[in-house]
Amino acid sequence: AQKVTQAQTEISVVEKEDVTLDCVYETRDTTYYLFWYKQPPSGELVFLIRRNSFDEQNEISGRYSWNFQKSTSSFNFTITASQVVDSAVYFCALSEAMGNTPLVFGKGTRLSVIA
Amino acid sequence: GAGVSQSPRYKVAKRGQDVALRCDPISGHVSLFWYQQALGQGPEFLTYFQNEAQLDKSGLPSDRFFAERPEGSVSTLKIQRTQQEDSAVYLCASSLGGGRARNEQFFGPGTRLTVL
Repeated sequence: AQKVTQAQTEISVVEKEDVTLDCVYETRDTTYYLFWYKQPPSGELVFLIRRNSFDEQNEISGRYSWNFQKSTSSFNFTITASQVVDSAVYFCALSEAMGNTPLVFGKGTRLSVIA
Repeated sequence: GAGVSQSPRYKVAKRGQDVALRCDPISGHVSLFWYQQALGQGPEFLTYFQNEAQLDKSGLPSDRFFAERPEGSVSTLKIQRTQQEDSAVYLCASSLGGGRARNEQFFGPGTRLTVL
């Protein structure tokens, strides 16, 4: 069975600090996808990134970066120089690679960035 | 807009009432998913359609939950005889489908259901 664990329930940082959100996953599949979504107070889930299990190259997009380590089954997300607008709940998710399959989500990490 | 839309955004029902929640996916998206998100939790899968075919309904919590997508576009999630434990946000997502490489699911704003 697939499982995603986000051990940090809530994190609070001061604006401009860097923050890392942890994600650990479990799957028996050898091919799978990992995702991060942002859920602002409005409630809509916003897609941030998708990685497949064959691509362990870290990715950077502006202030966002992702560290995928298959050896530790982790897919951590770092926000550099955090801003108040980054305040949201962030979800890590996992899906099988073949076809359209449901996402298995973690419980989310609520990030509060204080001005 | 071009995103996934859901209606109503908020629904209050008395216990025992039937409710119907609507999802309009992104035009041309073959795949449609329903998820249930309880307060403080991550979304949990309910059911999945490919066009009008319901390919997976393993996540539906009881036979009071029913979903349909008769013409392969708009979908309706119906809950009969609502119970307090049905209170949650119901999220709809769509994706291109068809085995395409980029198959991100795009989510709607959700319907917040409160059962009194």
